[in-house]
Amino acid sequence: DQQVKQNSPSLSVQEGRISILNCDYTNSMFDYFLWYKKYPAEGPTFLISISSIKDKNEDGRFTVFLNKSAKHLSLHIVPSQPGDSAVYFCAASPYNQGGKLIFGQGTELSVKP
Amino acid sequence: DSGVTQTPKHLITATGQRVTLRCSPRSGDLSVYWYQQSLDQGLQFLIHYYNGEERAKGNILERFSAQQFPDLHSELNLSSLELGDSALYFCASSGLAGGATTGHTQYFGPGTRLTVL
Repeated sequence: DQQVKQNSPSLSVQEGRISILNCDYTNSMFDYFLWYKKYPAEGPTFLISISSIKDKNEDGRFTVFLNKSAKHLSLHIVPSQPGDSAVYFCAASPYNQGGKLIFGQGTELSVKP
Repeated sequence: DSGVTQTPKHLITATGQRVTLRCSPRSGDLSVYWYQQSLDQGLQFLIHYYNGEERAKGNILERFSAQQFPDLHSELNLSSLELGDSALYFCASSGLAGGATTGHTQYFGPGTRLTVL
C-alpha cells in the first residue's frame, strides 16, 4: 500500500513562473513531512520540511503547504529556475517508528528557459 | 556535498554472491538509515541504526543484514544475490534517534549502484 503518493510523474514549467508539486498521503500518523530534490547519479538533497502541527513553512524560493484535512501537501517554487530541474520526492515520517521516511514515487520537474 | 560517504560507487556481481556496502555518516550523526531504490519503485526504507543499535526495520529481506560499528560507520550485507536485488542503495544519516516530537531531516549519501548479472 502506497501511503505517500505523487500522482504526477512529470511537470514542465517556464523559467520565472511558479512550480507546484503535489503529494497526497493516506495515513494520519505522520509527524513530519519533507521534500527532497534528486539529480541523476546523486543522492536526494533535503530541501524543506514541515511539522504536522503547522500548515506552512517557507525558505527562500521554496514554500511547503500542508492541508491536513485533505491529507495533501504541496511544494511551491517561485520563481522557478532551470537549475531546479530535477526529480522531487515528498517523504513522510511516521510517529514512533524510529525516524524512517516513507517516500512518494517522485515528480520530474523540467524548468524551460 | 551532504557529508555522507558511500563506497563503492558501483558494484557488479553475479547471482548467488555476497556483497558489502559501506556508509560513513556525517560527522557527529548517530543515526544511519539504509534505503533501496529499484527501477520500478521509489525509495524503500530498509533499516535504521542509532549509535550501534537497531532501531527500526522496514521491508528488508532476510538475505540482507546491517550493522553499525563503534566508529558509527555502517555496513549493509547482501547475500545470495538475485537479479531483482539490482538497485541503488542509499545511506542517510541524522543526528537524531527518531521519535514523535523530533524533526527527521536525513542527509543522503551518493548511493551505491548494485548490478547483479
